[in-house]
Amino acid sequence: AQSVTQPDIHITVSEGASLELRCNYSYGATPYLFWYVQSPGQGLQLLLKYFSGDTLVQGIKGFEAEFKRSQSSFNLRKPSVHWSDAAEYFCAVGGDSGYALNFGKGTSLLVTP
Amino acid sequence: KAGVTQTPRYLIKTRGQQVTLSCSPISGHRSVSWYQQTPGQGLQFLFEYFSETQRNKGNFPGRFSGRQFSNSRSEMNVSTLELGDSALYLCASSLFGSGSYNEQFFGPGTRLTVL
Repeated sequence: AQSVTQPDIHITVSEGASLELRCNYSYGATPYLFWYVQSPGQGLQLLLKYFSGDTLVQGIKGFEAEFKRSQSSFNLRKPSVHWSDAAEYFCAVGGDSGYALNFGKGTSLLVTP
Repeated sequence: KAGVTQTPRYLIKTRGQQVTLSCSPISGHRSVSWYQQTPGQGLQFLFEYFSETQRNKGNFPGRFSGRQFSNSRSEMNVSTLELGDSALYLCASSLFGSGSYNEQFFGPGTRLTVL
């Protein structure tokens, strides 16, 4: 069965600093991997996705993620964080059940001035 | 193109009642999935409908049910509400059926509070 672990429940970074959010997955075959962001009171917005090919994927809002099969990881990165990036970030994996996504518990990002 | 819409946005019910939530997918999308989000359990998959047929179902009791109409709009129903059903219910739509894995677009959710 597929599963996703986001080891960091909360992360605090200063505005302008770099960011890396960790995501580890468990899945036998090549997974479909996603990062979503959720602002308070809102639904989920897709930041980026990995299906195959280039292991470094670019997303919206300046985010990127790197798929590392050897480490079963799909970490999200941003070189310079903006105050508006404060939100909840979810990593998700798909594949076993068609369109059902298996989400991690999420990482809450706080951005300080 | 309009996004996924969910109605109502907020609901307050009491234990034992039933509730129906509605989701209108993006125009042209034929797949609708439902997720439950709670602080303790996170995001959990409820079920997915494609062309009026339930294709996948998560690990939820039979009190949770859904359906999809010919225009792809979907409803989910929860009967005999329990306090633990308080959650944000998210609907997601995507384009195609089996054979390809497409991006899911999420609605803003319906916040259900059970008293």
